[in-house]
Amino acid sequence: AQSVTQLGSHVSVSEGALVLLRCNYSSSVPPYLFWYVQYPNQGLQLLLKYTSAATLVKGINGFEAEFKKSETSFHLTKPSAHMSDAAEYFCAVSAGGSYIPTFGRGTSLIVHP
Amino acid sequence: NAGVTQTPKFQVLKTGQSMTLQCAQDMNHEYMSWYRQDPGMGLRLIHYSVGAGITDQGEVPNGYNVSRSTTEDFPLRLLSAAPSQTSVYFCASRIGRAVAEAFFGQGTRLTVV
Repeated sequence: AQSVTQLGSHVSVSEGALVLLRCNYSSSVPPYLFWYVQYPNQGLQLLLKYTSAATLVKGINGFEAEFKKSETSFHLTKPSAHMSDAAEYFCAVSAGGSYIPTFGRGTSLIVHP
Repeated sequence: NAGVTQTPKFQVLKTGQSMTLQCAQDMNHEYMSWYRQDPGMGLRLIHYSVGAGITDQGEVPNGYNVSRSTTEDFPLRLLSAAPSQTSVYFCASRIGRAVAEAFFGQGTRLTVV
């Protein structure tokens, strides 16, 4: 069985501030982890993914995430928020033998000028 | 390079009407799935398919029907629309490996009145 919990349905930051979006997972086997971004009125697109090659994963638009097995976490960060980062962010987990990834409920990132 | 194509983009139905949401992908992906997205609920899996001729139910299958006669197409049928089915619907596809990312369509915004 696999599951994902995203802490905080909304996160609000000022432009230029650190972005931290939290994701904790549960999986009975080594997981693959993903972050997707959804801009208004669009579908989801991949931001980055963890495939066990490296615990720190860099994605598009300056985002990165660190896999911490001991904490069962895969938090998404960006050093300096930009107005264009305002979007919905989804964490997802996929593990061997599962046909379909499990998505978290999403976190809406609000960026203030 | 079309990816995943969903039609229509917008639809208004009257209660009790039926309709089919179309989804097509040109990446030869084995796995396809349908999600609905509602405020505060994230993405909920309706039905999925792991190959032509094989479908299975997800988390919220009631009121929906699917078939997969070809690798490319995965239509979602609403049998008798209800206001509770007002939502944004996303189709996704990916290759049949847990490490693979999902590719999403642009979504269909459905309103049932």
